[in-house]
Amino acid sequence: QSALTQPRSVSGSPGQSVTISCTGTSSDVGGYNYVSWYQQHPGKAPKFMIYDVNKRPSGVPDRFSGSKSGNTASLTISGLQADDEADYYCCSYADSYSLVFGGGTKLTVL
Amino acid sequence: QVQLVESGGGVVQPGRSLRLSCAASGFSFSRFVMHWVRQAPGKGLEWVALVSYDGRNKYYADSAKGRFTISRDNSKNTLDLQMNSLREEDTAVFYCARSHYDFWSGPDSWGQGTLVTVSS
Repeated sequence: QSALTQPRSVSGSPGQSVTISCTGTSSDVGGYNYVSWYQQHPGKAPKFMIYDVNKRPSGVPDRFSGSKSGNTASLTISGLQADDEADYYCCSYADSYSLVFGGGTKLTVL
Repeated sequence: QVQLVESGGGVVQPGRSLRLSCAASGFSFSRFVMHWVRQAPGKGLEWVALVSYDGRNKYYADSAKGRFTISRDNSKNTLDLQMNSLREEDTAVFYCARSHYDFWSGPDSWGQGTLVTVSS
């Protein structure tokens, strides 16, 4: 149950796009389409942003999109806004009946 | 509107026990798989445990196996986490969370969390 690998930080200017990667193995990200993404502002609970690799829950703007290639999942945020500045976490089902999260990525909007 | 409210956190000495509870409302509790997820201070999210719709199936992270027990009472719409043999590294905010549509689809709704501090 090793944590998925995410970059510690990414940054972008308002209006730009950024992509956050989430790398696992064939036992988690690469083996299943149970990849989800969460946004967490300081002191707040996580917010559900993407599920099943690329599906958006109702209410999440279409600026947020997900994808997967092999053992790496990605979250892309287009048209960056100030309020997008937060920590982002990926999550995947892993072999042997468990969930595993990524280490988290801090997004800074310049 | 989905609401999850955790309680039971506090300061506890290493080796002691603590029981967390989560009161659910705004949805049909018995139709959803439920999770506990924790976050150590300044650190990332860590999945702790999952319980099935009827409470019969339970799954745990390696860090929780043998020490933590997840349970639910569908008649009271409550989720619990019994934590025994607590260690300093268990210090974290513990979140109660609802699974999206099946066991492993990921949590879609979260409580505000309850802080557990393990310290002598």
